Amino acid sequence: KQEVTQIPAALSVPEGENLVLNCSFTDSAIYNLQWFRQDPGKGLTSLLLIQSSQREQTSGRLNASLDKSSGRSTLYIAASQPGDSATYLCAVDTGANSKLTFGKGITLSVRP
Amino acid sequence: EAGVTQFPSHSVIEKGQTVTLRCDPISGHDNLYWYRRVMGKEIKFLLHFVKESKQDESGMPNNRFLAERTGGTYSTLKVQPAELEDSGVYFCASSQDFRGMGTGELFFGEGSRLTVL
Repeated sequence: KQEVTQIPAALSVPEGENLVLNCSFTDSAIYNLQWFRQDPGKGLTSLLLIQSSQREQTSGRLNASLDKSSGRSTLYIAASQPGDSATYLCAVDTGANSKLTFGKGITLSVRP
Repeated sequence: EAGVTQFPSHSVIEKGQTVTLRCDPISGHDNLYWYRRVMGKEIKFLLHFVKESKQDESGMPNNRFLAERTGGTYSTLKVQPAELEDSGVYFCASSQDFRGMGTGELFFGEGSRLTVL
């Protein structure tokens, strides 16, 4: 059974800092991994999707990496801004009909 | 292009009552998913439609939950009768692609918050 862990549950950093959010999963047989952002009371916004054959994906100040063999992914946020404050969720698709297994998320607060 | 839309955004009902949640996927997306997040837990899969057919309903908690997708367009999720533990946020997601035919990226709605008193 796939399990996804995101630690810590919350993180507070000063504006401008580069930061890394971690995600680990127990079963390395995945189809893809997605990082989502959720603002309070809002839905999930897809940030990056990494296919199992890829090592990383980049979008603007965001970079996500994937190491299947070790069951880890990281989301790197460069030059953090207060607008980056949100909950970041990691989810893996184990290849069964795009049925995602989610972590509990990391709530990020970027202080001005 | 409109995203995934869900209605209502928030519903407050008493235990034993019935609630129906609706999801309109992105136009042209054959795949529609329901997920749920209960307080303090991670988001969990409920079921998956491909067009009007249920592809996987292994995540449905029990037979008080009924999902339909008539005509392969919008979907409804009915909870009858509602129990206290059904409280949470119900998310709908859709995707255009399916196994081997794309990235499998899911697009989520803003969710329907259900509070059962």
